[in-house]
Amino acid sequence: AQSVTQLGSHVSVSEGALVLLRCNYSSSVPPYLFWYVQYPNQGLQLLLKYTTGATLVKGINGFEAEFKKSETSFHLTKPSAHMSDAAEYFCAVSDRAGGFKTIFGAGTRLFVKA
Amino acid sequence: DTEVTQTPKHLVMGMTNKKSLKCEQHMGHRAMYWYKQKAKKPPELMFVYSYEKLSINESVPSRFSPECPNSSLLNLHLHALQPEDSALYLCASSPRGGTSGGYDEQFFGPGTRLTVL
Repeated sequence: AQSVTQLGSHVSVSEGALVLLRCNYSSSVPPYLFWYVQYPNQGLQLLLKYTTGATLVKGINGFEAEFKKSETSFHLTKPSAHMSDAAEYFCAVSDRAGGFKTIFGAGTRLFVKA
Repeated sequence: DTEVTQTPKHLVMGMTNKKSLKCEQHMGHRAMYWYKQKAKKPPELMFVYSYEKLSINESVPSRFSPECPNSSLLNLHLHALQPEDSALYLCASSPRGGTSGGYDEQFFGPGTRLTVL
């Protein structure tokens, strides 16, 4: 069965610093990978997704992620953090073996310090 | 219209009440979802409707009853809930139904904050 592990329930960075949120997945077949962001008292919003093709995926708000099959990773990065990036971030996976149900990681809360 | 709307935003109900949550999308999406999210936790899948038919029920207690009257509307009927059912209930939709839906992003509504007394 597929699963997702997000390393670090909380990450704190200074404004302007690099953001790196880690995600490792487990899937027996080619996975489809997603990063979602959730601001307080709101629903989730897609940042980016990987299905097939180019392994470096660019998303909204300056975020990008790289699919590394050999490391089973899909880490999320942003070169320069903004205060507005403070939110909860969820990595998610779906695949054929799981009936294409989307499985979410536990989430990482990003804090941005002025 | 690229939104998923949910009503009400907040709901407080007693354990003997019957209430319903409503979700609507006008993007022509063919899959719709209900999730339950507890504080500081990820969303947990409850139900999936594909082409207006229930395709996934994640062993949800029968006090939660989903309904999909048409391709744009999804309801969640609540009856005899327990305090531990208090949570944020999220609705989502995705463009394609069936297994193709797994390739797609999900579009989430803002949620209904449910409190059961």
